Amino acid sequence: DAKTTQPTSMDCAEGRAANLPCNHSTISGNEYVYWYRQIHSQGPQYIIHGLKNNETNEMASLIITEDRKSSTLILPHATLRDTAVYYCIVRERIQGAQKLVFGQGTRLTINP
Amino acid sequence: DVKVTQSSRYLVKRTGEKVFLECVQDMDHENMFWYRQDPGLGLRLIYFSYDVKMKEKGDIPEGYSVSREKKERFSLILESASTNQTSMYLCASSLTGTHDHTFGSGTRLTVV
Repeated sequence: DAKTTQPTSMDCAEGRAANLPCNHSTISGNEYVYWYRQIHSQGPQYIIHGLKNNETNEMASLIITEDRKSSTLILPHATLRDTAVYYCIVRERIQGAQKLVFGQGTRLTINP
Repeated sequence: DVKVTQSSRYLVKRTGEKVFLECVQDMDHENMFWYRQDPGLGLRLIYFSYDVKMKEKGDIPEGYSVSREKKERFSLILESASTNQTSMYLCASSLTGTHDHTFGSGTRLTVV
């Protein structure tokens, strides 16, 4: 079962920052937070992950609260191509194959 | 870029047919996965493999089998297709010790 809670849908204006929240109140100390997105008719795409520190890459920033019970994915300057379903996933980092458990995600719509 | 290629984008098969879905990755990943995605149910893991000739059942393996004869290729087999196997099928691969899965674009299978 998915261990995360996300809003079903969100809207954001093009050019503005999109902030997508995720609650993971039962996260354990060795579990990472991952974000993927799925653009219509494509497979999911990895965005970013983190353990307890904030992370930034060329796609997005990830802010994790100090108690690690929630996080926010930030797309700093959203474009129309960022319209997608965004999934927040928590899992341990272990060696070997480890499946991803996807919840329902947040459907983000970027409006012109 | 890592590429995960699924042989067909759309497929229509008849009930009772044996169906092969092929997936090839070009980055020497040890781990490969087959998921199916259905509205309201999200992505569910069917089978995965962590090495050549090795396979493990996922959450919904009934009605499916897999084959991994070469490291780069992971095949999903529907022994006798049924209408409830109409779905989007997604293949993914990952490198042991890394954080992200790379997904293919998916095969939309319709069983009539």
